[in-house]
Amino acid sequence: AQSVTQLGSHVSVSEGALVLLRCNYSSSVPPYLFWYVQYPNQGLQLLLKYTTGATLVKGINGFEAEFKKSETSFHLTKPSAHMSDAAEYFCAVSHAGGTSYGKLTFGQGTILTVHP
Amino acid sequence: DSGVTQTPKHLITATGQRVTLRCSPRSGDLSVYWYQQSLDQGLQFLIQYYNGEERAKGNILERFSAQQFPDLHSELNLSSLELGDSALYFCASSGDGGPGNTIYFGEGSWLTVV
Repeated sequence: AQSVTQLGSHVSVSEGALVLLRCNYSSSVPPYLFWYVQYPNQGLQLLLKYTTGATLVKGINGFEAEFKKSETSFHLTKPSAHMSDAAEYFCAVSHAGGTSYGKLTFGQGTILTVHP
Repeated sequence: DSGVTQTPKHLITATGQRVTLRCSPRSGDLSVYWYQQSLDQGLQFLIQYYNGEERAKGNILERFSAQQFPDLHSELNLSSLELGDSALYFCASSGDGGPGNTIYFGEGSWLTVV
């Protein structure tokens, strides 16, 4: 079975500081990994995804994530936080095969607060 | 705008009642997913359809059912509602439902059971 663990339900940073949101996954087969963002009272929006190929993935709004198979991690980073980045972030995994084909399994989410 | 449309956006109903949530996927997407988001359970996968056929089932209660119609829109039916069913229900869609495909989410339907 696949699962996702997001370390830290709340992360607080100052505007301009580095953003680091941690995600570890568990999957018995090569995973497909995603980061989604949810702004208040809105749906989930895809930030970036890893399927195959380059392990450093760049997404929207200056975010990027690196797939590290040896560490089973897919941490999300942004060099300089902006006030508009305040939202909840979800890491998710999917994989091919079996009854889980195509579905996303989400982590519990990390709420990012950005202070002026 | 993801292109996934959900109605209604908000719904308040009493315990024991039945409601239907409706979803129109993005144009051209064949696969539809339903997720439930609540404070205690987080984002939980309920069910997936592909081109009218059920493809995968998750933590969907027997009181809940769904279907995807020939025009590819989908409905989630929730019956014998309980207070604990209060949640945000998301519909999402993707092209062929494959594991690397981007899944696009609607803005959700807020269900409050009183």
